[in-house]
Amino acid sequence: QKEVEQDPGPLSVPEGAIVSLNCTYSNSAFQYFMWYRQYSRKGPELLMYTYSSGNKEDGRFTAQVDKSSKYISLFIRDSQPSDSATYLCAMSPLTGTASKLTFGTGTRLQVTL
Amino acid sequence: GAVVSQHPSRVICKSGTSVKIECRSLDFQATTMFWYRQFPKQSLMLMATSNEGSKATYEQGVEKDKFLINHASLTLSTLTVTSAHPEDSSFYICSANLLAGADTQYFGPGTRLTVL
Repeated sequence: QKEVEQDPGPLSVPEGAIVSLNCTYSNSAFQYFMWYRQYSRKGPELLMYTYSSGNKEDGRFTAQVDKSSKYISLFIRDSQPSDSATYLCAMSPLTGTASKLTFGTGTRLQVTL
Repeated sequence: GAVVSQHPSRVICKSGTSVKIECRSLDFQATTMFWYRQFPKQSLMLMATSNEGSKATYEQGVEKDKFLINHASLTLSTLTVTSAHPEDSSFYICSANLLAGADTQYFGPGTRLTVL
């Protein structure tokens, strides 16, 4: 079993839809959670990060963490064609030194006109 | 802020040659940098963790003599693929931590290596 599970998609939604992207994890030591967006043939771009359970909002993006269920989500409101990319969740145990990140496999999102 | 660059963005080389990829943090100092490779439609695979002034820590299964990493300054790390072969063709991406001890990694744009 992988430490982080993420549905690879592809996920296709119409423009304006609310998108829900999810990851589950098995390692209870993970305390720090990030979402990255990666366009084709580009490096990942950090979208959001959070330490605590609950919701964190930034513009059209909301990150949600449920540590009791070991489940994290990224919601995208009013999705745009420019949101079409692969979304990677990442997490680490927060050891106080620069830790390795454990990534999900990424979910490919396609927002259609 | 937190911009990481890589050079070159694309390289094509003959089998048996060595290729050097540079990773620079442009507007911050990075004590720790990471090197990843990514195959098409797959996630990132960590190759090694590079700390300024010390030897890199390689992940299991990554040949340290084939993938030479040098982190000579707080803004520059290099990955040299020695005696490259077609199976080394991949997308190589570096990342850097903005703050010492922080886990948020900022990624470079990647280098696409094609070995003929």
